[in-house]
Amino acid sequence: VQLVESGGGLVQPGGSLRLSCAASGFTFSGHWMHWVRQAPGKGLLWVSHINSDGTATDYADSVKGRFTFSRDNAKNTLYLQMNSLRVEDTAVYYCATSLEMGTLDAFDVWGQGTMVIVSS
Amino acid sequence: QSALTQPASVSGSPGQSITLSCTGTSRDIGAYTFVSWYQQQPGKAPKLIIYEVNIRPSGVSNRFSGSKSGNTASLTISALQAEDEATYHCSSYTAISTVVFGGGTKVTVL
Repeated sequence: VQLVESGGGLVQPGGSLRLSCAASGFTFSGHWMHWVRQAPGKGLLWVSHINSDGTATDYADSVKGRFTFSRDNAKNTLYLQMNSLRVEDTAVYYCATSLEMGTLDAFDVWGQGTMVIVSS
Repeated sequence: QSALTQPASVSGSPGQSITLSCTGTSRDIGAYTFVSWYQQQPGKAPKLIIYEVNIRPSGVSNRFSGSKSGNTASLTISALQAEDEATYHCSSYTAISTVVFGGGTKVTVL
């Protein structure tokens, strides 16, 4: 069971970035997936979730209207399109899921994270 | 959605028990039994140690236990060990179908 994020990097304020998360070792299409971020030295912040077939998403207020979460179940991959990036979006972004528990809130599988730095 | 409130730090000596608190509202912790706790070592992803208030995933030490009263959840670490030194995050499902985390509590083993 593995989640591997990619796509992080340095971007200027107002810019865009697309993160990916490749899943393996489990039935990807059967699980809701989440993005959680952590700003340097700060706590965790839930960013978004997507249902198993990709037809429903929810977002934290701080990213609503700027971020779009999607998935490709044929490729076992998640995408987080981040637009109009702000300095305060600087964080490590993790993808995560509730694999054994099957709940919407208890994440027992996490990726290693990808760092996004928004700076001029 | 405001973050859950956790103390910034808690410390204890080896062998002692410590309790970490996590305070929310009637729209998250107070409304559901979907409270989780995570242990995070520096530079690592969080690890789930408690879910649904007091259930330990397989492989998690029984020295970790959870409880909830009203809008406040608690994590107790018994027989504290050096390896327990980490940051602990709580989370809760919310009335608007999202997840809210606390700011994290750094546990120091003296």
